[in-house]
Amino acid sequence: QQPVQSPQAVILREGEDAVINCSSSKALYSVHWYRQKHGEAPVFLMILLKGGEQKGHEKISASFNEKKQQSSLYLTASQLSYSGTYFCGTERYSNTGKLIFGQGTTLQVKP
Amino acid sequence: GAGVSQSPSNKVTEKGKDVELRCDPISGHTALYWYRQSLGQGLEFLIYFQGNSAPDKSGLPSDRFSAERTGGSVSTLTIQRTQQEDSAVYLCASSLAVGVSNQPQHFGDGTRLSIL
Repeated sequence: QQPVQSPQAVILREGEDAVINCSSSKALYSVHWYRQKHGEAPVFLMILLKGGEQKGHEKISASFNEKKQQSSLYLTASQLSYSGTYFCGTERYSNTGKLIFGQGTTLQVKP
Repeated sequence: GAGVSQSPSNKVTEKGKDVELRCDPISGHTALYWYRQSLGQGLEFLIYFQGNSAPDKSGLPSDRFSAERTGGSVSTLTIQRTQQEDSAVYLCASSLAVGVSNQPQHFGDGTRLSIL
């Protein structure tokens, strides 16, 4: 039931773009994205609901393909502050609030 | 308080002892979640509480783990007869409401539990 994230890790130079994918074998109602810096609590980025919408947060955006049960997180013109581990959390049924998180994707942005 | 508060921040105990971890959610948040994060791993769902409904305990790994939420606010996660594999960071999160799927979860800083 745990969603699969890819890639597991990515290293970028400042200004480069990256895509992180989150795939589920089960039908999903929503996908939540969080970023966690080392030794800190995860911080909410955005939620995508069933319906294939796309959202944006600063230069970070995401999409949710309901047919493929896949969400993608897009980081454009990456900044040093984007470094951290990104987790997707999937919700299978509406109105439960219960999230199952992927194993995480570690992103390192270098100067 | 302004955010989710967890205590203690660090706990070191001997194998076989019982431990209690505390979570104080954001005021007004009716949903509360517990997760476990082992070193370098993702967030493992343990249990969640929503209002006055029976908690979803489906993620608790064994009957040594239990949790309660008194008065719809503070929650305590108890691990009995701790084992070394229980060593992890235990994270608590709260959200404004369950029943509306677009509510983000707000995480505390966690309790780092080390079993000797």
